[in-house]
Amino acid sequence: GENVEQHPSTLSVQEGDSAVIKCTYSDSASNYFPWYKQELGKGPQLIIDIRSNVGEKKDQRIAVTLNKTAKHFSLHITETQPEDSAVYFCAANDNDMRFGAGTRLTVKP
Amino acid sequence: DTEVTQTPKHLVMGMTNKKSLKCEQHMGHRAMYWYKQKAKKPPELMFVYSYEKLSINESVPSRFSPECPNSSLLNLHLHALQPEDSALYLCASSPFKDFSQYFGPGTRLTVL
Repeated sequence: GENVEQHPSTLSVQEGDSAVIKCTYSDSASNYFPWYKQELGKGPQLIIDIRSNVGEKKDQRIAVTLNKTAKHFSLHITETQPEDSAVYFCAANDNDMRFGAGTRLTVKP
Repeated sequence: DTEVTQTPKHLVMGMTNKKSLKCEQHMGHRAMYWYKQKAKKPPELMFVYSYEKLSINESVPSRFSPECPNSSLLNLHLHALQPEDSALYLCASSPFKDFSQYFGPGTRLTVL
């Protein structure tokens, strides 16, 4: 089955800086890679996703890149704001979805 | 309406109780999911329904019993749970299986 590794486990940045979270996956059959943001006491919120036929996708301050050969994908958040503080999960989907362990992002004002 | 709703928000039950968790979506999605999330851990897939048929059962103990009465509703029936089953139970839906999943707020379950 799929195994997803996510780094770093915690990340602290100053407001306005960029944040990068990286994930690797094991199953070459995985073809869909979403990213979720989970705030305290809430369910995960889909923030961006990418399919295996695309190398990069951007939505305002958030971008995701995918390297299928190396089996890794990354989340980039630019101009971070305090409200970006949350736990971020990557996931990879072949037949079912497997999540990375999560990254706790703290944006200091 | 782009929302997945779950009831109740919180549930406390004893090990001999029977209770049910409910999930509803009105987005016309044909796949629905149950996940279990322990504190500081990622969600773990429990069950997947696709077109109201159980598609994936991740070897979950029989004390958890899913039910999909129609394309908008998903239930999780609980019986004889253990304290280690205490967790956040999340429901999600997607247009079809293997498409973007949208999560509800979860039910915080405590088993005494």
